[in-house]
Amino acid sequence: DIQMTQFPSSLSASVGDRVTITCRASQSISNYLHWYQQKPGKAPNLLIYSAFNLQSGVPSRFSGSGSGTDFTLTIRNLQPEDSAIYYCHQSYGTPYTFGQGSKLVIK
Amino acid sequence: EVHLVESGGGLVKPGGSLRLSCAASGFAFSTYNMNWVRQSPGKGLEWVSSISDSGESIFYADSLTGRFTISRDNAKNSLFLQLNSLRDEDTGVYYCARDLGLHSRWFDSWGQGTLVTVSS
Repeated sequence: DIQMTQFPSSLSASVGDRVTITCRASQSISNYLHWYQQKPGKAPNLLIYSAFNLQSGVPSRFSGSGSGTDFTLTIRNLQPEDSAIYYCHQSYGTPYTFGQGSKLVIK
Repeated sequence: EVHLVESGGGLVKPGGSLRLSCAASGFAFSTYNMNWVRQSPGKGLEWVSSISDSGESIFYADSLTGRFTISRDNAKNSLFLQLNSLRDEDTGVYYCARDLGLHSRWFDSWGQGTLVTVSS
């Protein structure tokens, strides 16, 4: 199975800041890496697909990069509504796996 | 507008069974692969199973094979998950999610989830 390691597991930042979340795969997954945002009591919401493509309707302050084993999600100009848990997800092969999540708190 | 609505969750004793359903609307259901993803209370996301658009290809998480069965009815725009021999650790919210398959296997729409509680 492909293991996805996400870090940091939690982070705190202020409105207007920029933050970066990293996801590392245990083997190369090309660009089969996607990012989701989940708010309490809600289903996950797709932000970025195939490493760097912005899902329709997602604000442009979200961006993704990386390929192979190392990927990052960057959020610029943080807004209060960005407080959530962020997950990476690999679809290179089954079993599909998720990172353990990164909880972002806006101070 | 895409809608995925799960149902069928509830309280069940260890060893019991449940059948989850996911009703799809607002898109061409028969052209999408479908997935089940679960989330234990306070925990992260865990992929459970996938079924191809035609239903011919099915995959399960290694730990679940033999206890869970995924199926679909394209005529009724519905996805199912039969859960048997349930264990305490199967407790959680079960989401259905779609993907386009091939090289587009990201989950772009999710249902609101249905809660399964396994407890004596």
